[in-house]
Amino acid sequence: GNSVTQMEGPVTLSEEAFLTINCTYTATGYPSLFWYVQYPGEGLQLLLKATKADDKGSNKGFEATYRKETTSFHLEKGSVQVSDSAVYFCALTIIQGAQKLVFGQGTRLTINP
Amino acid sequence: NAGVTQTPKFQVLKTGQSMTLQCAQDMNHEYMSWYRQDPGMGLRLIHYSVGAGITDQGEVPNGYNVSRSTTEDFPLRLLSAAPSQTSVYFCASSPDLAGAQETQYFGPGTRLLVL
Repeated sequence: GNSVTQMEGPVTLSEEAFLTINCTYTATGYPSLFWYVQYPGEGLQLLLKATKADDKGSNKGFEATYRKETTSFHLEKGSVQVSDSAVYFCALTIIQGAQKLVFGQGTRLTINP
Repeated sequence: NAGVTQTPKFQVLKTGQSMTLQCAQDMNHEYMSWYRQDPGMGLRLIHYSVGAGITDQGEVPNGYNVSRSTTEDFPLRLLSAAPSQTSVYFCASSPDLAGAQETQYFGPGTRLLVL
């Protein structure tokens, strides 16, 4: 089946630290991959996406590369800020009649000043 | 342009009560969907719609009904609420019903507590 597995949280880092949140997937066919972010008290919003193998998505200093050989889409940022504290969701889309998002369980990130 | 709006923000129900969670979008998107978010489980798809008059079940449809009479609105109905339906509910929309590359736009969520 189709599934997404994310690094267990919560993750706590100091400001300016390097961030990696691991994400691996299982899918039939060639899904598109996404990272969504949920800030406290808000809905989810798209952070970045990649639609084919070796594509790199980037936004707000975050990056993730679609690795078909390792079925991974790890999220990275070189220097995190307090404002990056949020819950991060890795997801893939599949087409079964219509577009469906399959989410990982989410990783809560807290950045301390 | 309000995007995706949801009402109410928070609701408390007693077991067996019914209610409707409202969702509306003003982006003329064909595709709309409902998810529930539970701790440690990410978001799971409840129902979705690919256009007015067309709905289908997602991963966890039991206990929920939907209808899509207009492009803009996609209400979610709980006919007889159960404590297991305590969750945060998100509505989402997307412009392209068949496009795997398309971003989905999420509403702010409705927090539901069933006692």
